[in-house]
Amino acid sequence: LAKTTQPVSMDSYEGQEVNITCSHNNIATNDYITWYQQFPSQGPRFIIQGYKTKVTNEVASLFIPADRKSSTLSLPRVSLSDTAVYYCLVGDGTGNTGKLIFGQGTTLQVKP
Amino acid sequence: DAGVTQSPTHLIKTRGQQVTLRCSPISGHKSVSWYQQVLGQGPQFIFQYYEKEERGRGNFPDRFSARQFPNYSSELNVNALLLGDSALYLCASSFRDFGSGNTIYFGEGSWLTVV
Repeated sequence: LAKTTQPVSMDSYEGQEVNITCSHNNIATNDYITWYQQFPSQGPRFIIQGYKTKVTNEVASLFIPADRKSSTLSLPRVSLSDTAVYYCLVGDGTGNTGKLIFGQGTTLQVKP
Repeated sequence: DAGVTQSPTHLIKTRGQQVTLRCSPISGHKSVSWYQQVLGQGPQFIFQYYEKEERGRGNFPDRFSARQFPNYSSELNVNALLLGDSALYLCASSFRDFGSGNTIYFGEGSWLTVV
């Protein structure tokens, strides 16, 4: 099963750009990479999903190199409300994305 | 449009009791998955259902069971509750059962406390 490795925690200041890198050395050919944000006592919120190169939406960008063994979530100009746990996930390797494998996630603390 | 909705949001049960948690997926979504999240850890996969059939099961005891109804809503049942079952139970829905780029959306969860 494809597993992910992320930093346990990161600190940033309001207005800065934050980049969270995720390692997934065993990613399967048909796996997409998905990032979720979770606030305490709430369900994970979908942020962005990608397969290769770069994906951008209104809240974040996702950079995926050609070998797909890692990915970087970029949050532009973070605010205090971006303080949360961020999870990087890939599918279970069989293409069944109904089963997501969550790691410990990255706890991002944004300071004023 | 409504997102994934779960009920109840909070409940307290006694050891040995049974609990039923309910989930309504996003309109048009046919796949429902259940996850357990213990405090301080990431969610752990319990079940996935698609078109009323079980498509996947995580490493949970037989005390955990689920089903999906014709309207694609789902129930998670846990029998003989243990203190260790205290957790946030998350329901997630997606349009397809699997496949590249199949985005999965989560509800806000049901907090279960077993005393």
